[in-house]
Amino acid sequence: LAKTTQPISMDSYEGQEVNITCSHNNIATNDYITWYQQFPSQGPRFIIQGYKTKVTNEVASLFIPADRKSSTLSLPRVSLSDTAVYYCLVVLSGNTGKLIFGQGTTLQVKP
Amino acid sequence: EAGVVQSPRYKIIEKKQPVAFWCNPISGHNTLYWYLQNLGQGPELLIRYENEEAVDDSQLPKDRFSAERLKGVDSTLKIQPAELGDSAVYLCASSSGLAGSNEQFFGPGTRLTVL
Repeated sequence: LAKTTQPISMDSYEGQEVNITCSHNNIATNDYITWYQQFPSQGPRFIIQGYKTKVTNEVASLFIPADRKSSTLSLPRVSLSDTAVYYCLVVLSGNTGKLIFGQGTTLQVKP
Repeated sequence: EAGVVQSPRYKIIEKKQPVAFWCNPISGHNTLYWYLQNLGQGPELLIRYENEEAVDDSQLPKDRFSAERLKGVDSTLKIQPAELGDSAVYLCASSSGLAGSNEQFFGPGTRLTVL
């Protein structure tokens, strides 16, 4: 039973906007949806989190529809240094409240 | 401010040997997590602590894995005996534990190789 689904990989060019979507059914109603970035040989790094609608910070935007069954990370004007793996993190509904990372999306930014 | 510290960074052992990983979270962070990350996959939660209490250890293979967080600060994750399939990166993370938030700060991880 897949708990989250992300595209395995995406390619982009410098300066473009990149949107990565994570599908997640049956997530807890009271927890944020969180996105992380990971470079090789490093731990994941927090990017952004949100509960509903749209959240924006200095590096990204996060779009969450009202049903919260998916979320889209938007990276504006990517650069080569944005080449990394991006993960969504959700909390499953139910008594367990289990934290689940997605399988990750490898973003390759080309010059 | 120092981030999450983990040691060692790399460990190579033979199967059936014991191994231990150490984590020092960010000062003031009450919540501490241990994850296992296999190559090409997302982190998988092994155990989560709120202060000294393990509030979620449902994914910890208790026959060979154990963890402790004495005094609610540092934590140690142990495997005894190690198996070939335990080769992975073991990540420690901490957070302030704000309700509903999952902003975690990760250490660099310990890469374990079991021969």
